[in-house]
Amino acid sequence: DTAVSQTPKYLVTQMGNDKSIKCEQNLGHDTMYWYKQDSKKFLKIMFSYNNKELIINETVPNRFSPKSPDKAHLNLHINSLELGDSAVYFCASSRRRDQETQYFGPGTRLLVL
Amino acid sequence: SQQGEEDPQALSIQEGENATMNCSYKTSINNLQWYRQNSGRGLVHLILIRSNEREKHSGRLRVTLDTSKKSSSLLITASRAADTASYFCAPGSGNTGKLIFGQGTTLQVKP
Repeated sequence: DTAVSQTPKYLVTQMGNDKSIKCEQNLGHDTMYWYKQDSKKFLKIMFSYNNKELIINETVPNRFSPKSPDKAHLNLHINSLELGDSAVYFCASSRRRDQETQYFGPGTRLLVL
Repeated sequence: SQQGEEDPQALSIQEGENATMNCSYKTSINNLQWYRQNSGRGLVHLILIRSNEREKHSGRLRVTLDTSKKSSSLLITASRAADTASYFCAPGSGNTGKLIFGQGTTLQVKP
C-alpha cells in the first residue's frame, strides 16, 4: 500500500530525448509537488498543484512541464534532456496546500548521458 | 519562502550517544518541519512544530524552536545505527505549501 509512488525508479537516457515521470498518491491529498535533488543533496521545489491547479511554478526551464490529470496524479514531462537534468526527482503530496506535512515518493533517479 | 540551514553538515557519533542538529532561518514562520532521508530513499516527515510551540517530543526525538533566535534544534537520544541518515529542516510560511530545504545534516551512527 504505497502512499506516494513514482515510476520509473531509474531512468537512463541520451541527451536530447524526451521522457516522462509519473507520480500517484492514494492518500486522498489535495496538493502534490515535484522536487529535484542534486548531487549535493539540495532539494529544490519545482512545481506544485492543488486540486489540479498549478500553484507553485519555480524558475525551471520550460522544457519541464507538469501535468495533473486528476488530484491523485502529477506527472512530469521533460523535453530535450540535458546533462544537467541528471538528478533524483521526488514527488510529494500533502493533505492541503498550507504547510502541512508532506509525504514523499521513493524518487526517480534520472541519468542523462 | 526561505531556506533552513542545518548545522553541522556532518556528524559522526557512537551508538547510544545523543545527536543534536541545528537549523537557522531568516524570517518569520508559521511552523518548522524536520525530515529524515535514508540513503537512496525519499524524505520521511519526523516532526512539525508550530510557531507558538517551544518544544515537541516524538519517541526519541525532541525538537525545540526559538522564534526569537530564529532557530530550531533536533535532538535524537540514545542513537542507533538505524538513525544513520540525512536530516533536513524546512521552515514554513505562507499558504502554498512551499518548503525550501537546506543541504541537511548527514548523521552517521557507528555501531
